[in-house]
Amino acid sequence: EVVLTQSPATLSVSPGERATLSCRASQSVNYNLAWYQQKPGQAPRVLIYSASTGATGSPARFSGSGSETEFTLTISSLQSEDSAVYYCQQYNNWPLTFGPGTRVEIK
Amino acid sequence: QVLLVQSGAEMKKPGASVKVSCKTSGYDFSSYPIHWVRQAPGQRLEWMGWINVGNANTKYSEKFQARVSITRDTSASTVYMDLTSLTSEDTAVYFCARAPYSGAYSSWFDPWGQGTLVTVSS
Repeated sequence: EVVLTQSPATLSVSPGERATLSCRASQSVNYNLAWYQQKPGQAPRVLIYSASTGATGSPARFSGSGSETEFTLTISSLQSEDSAVYYCQQYNNWPLTFGPGTRVEIK
Repeated sequence: QVLLVQSGAEMKKPGASVKVSCKTSGYDFSSYPIHWVRQAPGQRLEWMGWINVGNANTKYSEKFQARVSITRDTSASTVYMDLTSLTSEDTAVYFCARAPYSGAYSSWFDPWGQGTLVTVSS
């Protein structure tokens, strides 16, 4: 099973600043990685897939990069509505797995 | 508009079974796999399995293989997830989620159902 780890566990950022979230895989997942945003009481919503492709409806301030075992989600200019938990997910190997999440708080 | 609407919250006793439904609309039901993912309190999301809605083939996570069954009713455009031998550790929100494009079996998920809370308690 591919184990995903995310860092940091919690990130506190001021509005307008950049937020950088990391996801590391225990083995290569090529570019088969997605990022989700989840707000309390809601289902996750995909932001990025194939490591760097923005999903339909995903704001342009969200971008993804990386390959194989190291991935990054960047929020270029944090907005108040970006307060949420962010998960990475790999779909290169069965079983499909998720990271533990990074909580983004607004300072 | 693609919609996945799940059945309501369930309260079960240990040892019981639960069946959660996921009614879909807005697309060709038979063309897109449906996955089930759960989220226990304070835990990461956990993939349980998926169904090829076209031919009813399934694939399950080894963790749930012995206890889970995913089925579909094409006439109702609905997918079901059955989980047996429940324990308190099965207390979680259960989500159905669609593959993002036709024929995608190993993929990200988009969109998701709203989630169904299953509580297991004596």
